[in-house]
Amino acid sequence: QVQLVESGGGLVKPGGSLRLSCAASGFTFSDYYMSWIRQAPGKGLEWVSYISSSGSTIYYADSVKGRFTISRDNAKNSLYLQMNSLRAEDTAVYYCARDCTNGVCPKAYWGQGTLVTVSS
Amino acid sequence: QSALTQPASVSGSPGQSITISCTGTSSDVGGYNYVSWYQQHPGKAPKLMIYEVSNRPSGVPDRFSGSKSGNTASLTISGLQAEDEADYYCSSYTSSSTLEVFGGGTKLTVL
Repeated sequence: QVQLVESGGGLVKPGGSLRLSCAASGFTFSDYYMSWIRQAPGKGLEWVSYISSSGSTIYYADSVKGRFTISRDNAKNSLYLQMNSLRAEDTAVYYCARDCTNGVCPKAYWGQGTLVTVSS
Repeated sequence: QSALTQPASVSGSPGQSITISCTGTSSDVGGYNYVSWYQQHPGKAPKLMIYEVSNRPSGVPDRFSGSKSGNTASLTISGLQAEDEADYYCSSYTSSSTLEVFGGGTKLTVL
């Protein structure tokens, strides 16, 4: 069955960096576009970033553009989110989610999330 | 401020029906039939309930239905059950550079 497992969250100071990972299994990872979506404590969902199956097409939310970098390693069935210049408002649970084989689509599969806390 | 507007809360008694609205613009909800609805219980990941405005994934009860009129999409839950109490989020494809936008979420309380 499809499984997505995020890791790498934790406590980081403002201005610091963190790299999140999402390990995928149960499907042909290299065929699918993938997204990162976050949820601040007690708040709603916010789409963060999206990467095509080959990694050649990438989109970012304006709130993270220039600070976050999405990438993937299809040989390792893994998705990543490099987060730099972190701010308090980046504090959230970060979810990875599977898109479609041809683009963004309804997300039937989500990971359990990993919590990122940005605080001094 | 979320890109899509949802009511903060709705409530209903068991067996009743409720409707949650999701209002956007012609650049998102009104322009595409790519509206999805997610259910989220506390501490859990979101679960896809409706996709492409009115389609239900396998395993989602037919008590859940979706529709759209103009720039507003709606999720209707009929025959409310206690386990339907959760937060509900709409999302839509958007022609803006952000690709996908979510609503602010609606807390459903089953009285």
